Amino acid sequence: DTAVSQTPKYLVTQMGNDKSIKCEQNLGHDTMYWYKQDSKKFLKIMFSYNNKELIINETVPNRFSPKSPDKAHLNLHINSLELGDSAVYFCASSQETGGGGRFYFGPGTRLLVL
Amino acid sequence: QKEVEQDPGPLSVPEGAIVSLNCTYSNSAFQYFMWYRQYSRKGPELLMYTYSSGNKEDGRFTAQVDKSSKYISLFIRDSQPSDSATYLCASNAGGTSYGKLTFGQGTILTVHP
Repeated sequence: DTAVSQTPKYLVTQMGNDKSIKCEQNLGHDTMYWYKQDSKKFLKIMFSYNNKELIINETVPNRFSPKSPDKAHLNLHINSLELGDSAVYFCASSQETGGGGRFYFGPGTRLLVL
Repeated sequence: QKEVEQDPGPLSVPEGAIVSLNCTYSNSAFQYFMWYRQYSRKGPELLMYTYSSGNKEDGRFTAQVDKSSKYISLFIRDSQPSDSATYLCASNAGGTSYGKLTFGQGTILTVHP
């Protein structure tokens, strides 16, 4: 009965490859997010979707493309992977809109680009 | 300057100690304040959620917000080895930026028996 789940947990790949990370939430929340945590543990938002609509798109290279097939799923596709993309990627969801949200995070996907 | 500043520590305390974790923020628009706990190789877990200045208590945890000085604190009473984790403060402004949680760098806490 995991609230926010992500696959895969670990991803090791070569530079230049394309990879996808999947996220699903069973909390019934309207809003989902992708956050990136760097090696210094600093968490930063990348994207947010509300009911399948892109709400926030921070200054992320356009090699990163999120896709939300429905409000329970948010996937992240990364083209032409670079060494600097190595990080932990967290999916999150929340219900409140217009106010401060209680964010629930997934377990993370550890991406290592060689 | 980062919008939310947090001393990364590490902080090491004996079991039973009172722990004080602190953050400062610079964005006056921030209205919602949270503390997350992150165990090694896990996702952040929401610990405390507050709106506006004041104290909020939940068991051994007390969150304190002082908007006048832009200061956020988390106090842990009777700390336990199971409290060993990274603690992240976070804030957002609500409104149209509700999704944009801004995090501090996290403080690594170790509680030793």
